[in-house]
Amino acid sequence: NAGVTQTPKFQVLKTGQSMTLQCAQDMNHNSMYWYRQDPGMGLRLIYYSASEGTTDKGEVPNGYNVSRLNKREFSLRLESAAPSQTSVYFCASRRGDSNQPQHFGDGTRLSIL
Amino acid sequence: DQQVKQNSPSLSVQEGRISILNCDYTNSMFDYFLWYKKYPAEGPTFLISISSIKDKNEDGRFTVFLNKSAKHLSLHIVPSQPGDSAVYFCAVPGKGTYKYIFGTGTRLKVLA
Repeated sequence: NAGVTQTPKFQVLKTGQSMTLQCAQDMNHNSMYWYRQDPGMGLRLIYYSASEGTTDKGEVPNGYNVSRLNKREFSLRLESAAPSQTSVYFCASRRGDSNQPQHFGDGTRLSIL
Repeated sequence: DQQVKQNSPSLSVQEGRISILNCDYTNSMFDYFLWYKKYPAEGPTFLISISSIKDKNEDGRFTVFLNKSAKHLSLHIVPSQPGDSAVYFCAVPGKGTYKYIFGTGTRLKVLA
């Protein structure tokens, strides 16, 4: 009963390094999301994928890329990490029907030095 | 421009008393509202929701109230328990999109 699984749980990078955060869901959900959470800012949407084969920008997409590899997996890539990208990153999925709640992973805590 | 606002960053309540968490929104077209609960080092989990055709929805100790004219919703927890200590987010599905809009969260501390 895994739900949404994110890897890794923690990562420290140096400025300029690249990194891919992995997310997989086993609930056969259509839509998937990447958020970042910063103190006092709530959850801000980076990118989302309404269905397999589509991706769209959210509120704060700059500095990130995504890949919807298949229905289960949605990855987030930082090509050249910056200290401003230090955050906790959450992946979520949803069945796809409007008003259905999202299911979240436990997050990846990323520090950029 | 924040479409969903939680103006209280934190709240402390004695065990057994009522906790009231508030959320305001700006768009009168929003028709569905959700509350999520988040413990440290975990992802948010869905708690309770309400449709705009209702003004109240109850689930055990949790009740959400919706005041459409004031564009305000509140989450009541009665009685509050120490295990309720968490950050609570209100969220709204964006109209016509797959996006959700989250408030900034309220940290609830229930004191034993």
